[in-house]
Amino acid sequence: EADIYQTPRYLVIGTGKKITLECSQTMGHDKMYWYQQDPGMELHLIHYSYGVNSTEKGDLSSESTVSRIRTEHFPLTLESARPSHTSQYLCASSGDTTPWYGYTFGSGTRLTVV
Amino acid sequence: AQSVTQLDSQVPVFEEAPVELRCNYSSSVSVYLFWYVQYPNQGLQLLLKYLSGSTLVKGINGFEAEFNKSQTSFHLRKPSVHISDTAEYFCAVSRSGGNFNKFYFGSGTKLNVKP
Repeated sequence: EADIYQTPRYLVIGTGKKITLECSQTMGHDKMYWYQQDPGMELHLIHYSYGVNSTEKGDLSSESTVSRIRTEHFPLTLESARPSHTSQYLCASSGDTTPWYGYTFGSGTRLTVV
Repeated sequence: AQSVTQLDSQVPVFEEAPVELRCNYSSSVSVYLFWYVQYPNQGLQLLLKYLSGSTLVKGINGFEAEFNKSQTSFHLRKPSVHISDTAEYFCAVSRSGGNFNKFYFGSGTKLNVKP
């Protein structure tokens, strides 16, 4: 049973629309992450958060923004979607800063911008 | 900087045959190594991890991996695969990054188990 939830699972949207991808976790984890996943490519970290009111950009530049107003919620927003934003977006969380503590991943949102 | 290389993008194998999925990493510091599995239309699930100690690590679903420091490898193996093992497998390296634990993922290997 998943403890981290992403909605929607699939989204097809027109160019120029504003979208928000939701991510919620019930584990009380402080650390949360957004990864972008393209077929045959590495997962790329685009945003992360240490805790409430803290957000940072990841290794891969992204036009998306994130917020962390509540511990359990880490939404990702695209103000104006473009076809280049078509990808799968994975949310993850972890409960510790130690490097051996694995992530818990959500099921992902597959975004298609037409 | 860390990087993770998974040389095989796809591995076809027949059911009950053994399989090895290769992973090599580069790092100038000690790292922690992980394998994740992604079943179709699902998120990533932790398969196993190497932190320290014995270089042979056993994970879920009968998978195991061996850490080889001299060859900077962490290959994943299973002696006999099932149809249900069809999935994409990601090798990952983790290092301490101050306030968070940062992961570097390989590009994935798709395991296709045929009857």
